[in-house]
Amino acid sequence: DIQMTQSPSTLSASIGDRVTITCRASQSISSWLAWYQQKPGKAPKVLIYKASSLESGVPSRFSGSGSGTEFTLTISSLQPDDFATYYCQQYKTYWTFGQGTRVEIK
Amino acid sequence: VQVQQWGAGLLKPSETLSLTCAVYGGAFSGYYWSWIRQPPGKGLEWIGEIDHSGSANYNSSLESRVIISADRSKNQFSLRLNSVTAADTAVYYCATYSGTLQYSYWGQGTLVTVSS
Repeated sequence: DIQMTQSPSTLSASIGDRVTITCRASQSISSWLAWYQQKPGKAPKVLIYKASSLESGVPSRFSGSGSGTEFTLTISSLQPDDFATYYCQQYKTYWTFGQGTRVEIK
Repeated sequence: VQVQQWGAGLLKPSETLSLTCAVYGGAFSGYYWSWIRQPPGKGLEWIGEIDHSGSANYNSSLESRVIISADRSKNQFSLRLNSVTAADTAVYYCATYSGTLQYSYWGQGTLVTVSS
């Protein structure tokens, strides 16, 4: 099974900060990686698919990069609506999620 | 597109969890259908999927207890998880999606609690 490791598990940041979350796969997944945002009581929402493609309707401050085993989600300027939990997910072989990164207010 | 899911929310240990998901408002030929769960306060766990040919694949940690089936004529698919324990307490989500994940739609989630 492919394992996904996210870091950090919690991130404290201020409005306007540039935020970076990292995800590592236990084996190469090419670009078959998605990033999700989840708010309390809600289903996860896809932000990025195929490592760097922005889902329709998602603000351009979100971006994804990487391939193979190392991936990054960047929020260029953190906004109040962005405080949430973020998950990476590989879909090269079925699905596996990272353990999540909680972005909280500093 | 609307994704609606339903099923029993309270089970006793050893019973069978049964949930159904229906997709309305679009044509989903070629799409995949998955079930995902999230224990309270924890992360997401993929349970399994069924593809457009009816072939199902499961998380290796659950495959001895899981069956996912689909009725494409009704745009519905179902999850059955037998011999539940308290460890199966979670919010269960269904999702339908294209292979690239460019298009994906999730249900609202169903809290299933296993308690004696």
